[in-house]
Amino acid sequence: DAKTTQPPSMDCAEGRAANLPCNHSTISGNEYVYWYRQIHSQGPQYIIHGLKNNETNEMASLIITEDRKSNTLILPHATLRDTAVYYCIVRVAPLGFGNEKLTFGTGTRLTIIP
Amino acid sequence: KAGVTQTPRYLIKTRGQQVTLSCSPISGHRSVSWYQQTPGQGLQFLFEYFSETQRNKGNFPGRFSGRQFSNSRSEMNVSTLELGDSALYLCASTSGQSSYEQYFGPGTRLTVT
Repeated sequence: DAKTTQPPSMDCAEGRAANLPCNHSTISGNEYVYWYRQIHSQGPQYIIHGLKNNETNEMASLIITEDRKSNTLILPHATLRDTAVYYCIVRVAPLGFGNEKLTFGTGTRLTIIP
Repeated sequence: KAGVTQTPRYLIKTRGQQVTLSCSPISGHRSVSWYQQTPGQGLQFLFEYFSETQRNKGNFPGRFSGRQFSNSRSEMNVSTLELGDSALYLCASTSGQSSYEQYFGPGTRLTVT
């Protein structure tokens, strides 16, 4: 799995868009980008994944650069409940057939400021 | 549908004892993975079970073991507990075949004194 680099911490004002960057310069052509988040003392929660196209779901948007060496997770209207550690993971997808292991880095601690 | 459940949620044990943690996956999911989370090492993969068979294993000593039952429920066991085993133990489930999302339980907080 490709190595990822994320800032250790970020602040964002409530109601504003939170933009979380992730670099993965060694990503391979068949590797996907995943984002999970972990709210304090809970299990990680899946947010979104993508290969090369931008993706959007009810939680967030994922913007992947054309060279695929970095991406940005966007939480469009951050709320206090979005305060969490956000993990960017790069791995071959999908999960399954004995390949369920997720390798978590140190993530970005996002704090939403009232 | 009900999420992944783990029992107990909190546990205090003494060095040298053993402990068994339980995980019930989402209904219909046949794969259960276990992770250990500590402040120093972060989230680390322990092992994964599918249809009562261990398919993948992380880099942990043999004191850490697991099993899975025919109803997909899983247990993990840690023998001869050490202080460093104090951690949040998380389990996660997937269908085990082809999926993009791993569903995590709330974890069991183990404290070894």
